[in-house]
Amino acid sequence: EERLEESGGGVVRPGGSLRLSCVASGFTFDDFGMSWVRQAPGKGLEWVSEINWNGDNIGYGDSVKGRFTISRDNAKNSVYLEMNSLRAEDTALYYCARRLGGYYYMDVWGRGTTVSVTS
Amino acid sequence: DIQMTQSPPSLSASVGDRVTITCRASQSVNSYLSWFQHKLGQAPKLLIFGASTLQSGVPSRFSGSGAGTDFTLTISSLQPEDFATYYCQQSYSAPRTFGQGTKLEIK
Repeated sequence: EERLEESGGGVVRPGGSLRLSCVASGFTFDDFGMSWVRQAPGKGLEWVSEINWNGDNIGYGDSVKGRFTISRDNAKNSVYLEMNSLRAEDTALYYCARRLGGYYYMDVWGRGTTVSVTS
Repeated sequence: DIQMTQSPPSLSASVGDRVTITCRASQSVNSYLSWFQHKLGQAPKLLIFGASTLQSGVPSRFSGSGAGTDFTLTISSLQPEDFATYYCQQSYSAPRTFGQGTKLEIK
């Protein structure tokens, strides 16, 4: 079974940092790009970041550019999201998702990890 | 950035109804358009990709159409498990933006 499991969420003060992890299983990890998507409380889905199979093609949403860094370790079947200079508006449930080539759609999703930025 | 606008924001319907949700892009996204179903406490579920291709395992009552800037998701006969929030997303260019969602509720 193809699975993604996120971890690393928690409560952090404004200006703080957090590192999210997502571990993949059940498929050949380095055949796929990976994405992060978030949902703030009461809001819709927001695309955060993506990385291609070898890490040499990366993209960020406007609201996180310059503060968040995506990376991956194919030997560990993992993708990461390093989040710095956190703001209250970064409070959300963060999902990782597998991104297929061609149409770049996201077909496998994890259940998410919660980040709360509060003083 | 490409803006995605869904309508309606919410919709009340009954089991057995035919329902259509629309999604408009601020510029052409060719056929790089996906539809997702999202239920509270669950991961989003891919329904349609490439504007009209049904994801494996998704019931055939779901269908997608459109290209360029205008897209629709149709559910031909609503089932109880279909009440959820639906999102379109363009994957033509980064940032790969979502629509604001359409909440489908039971009438």
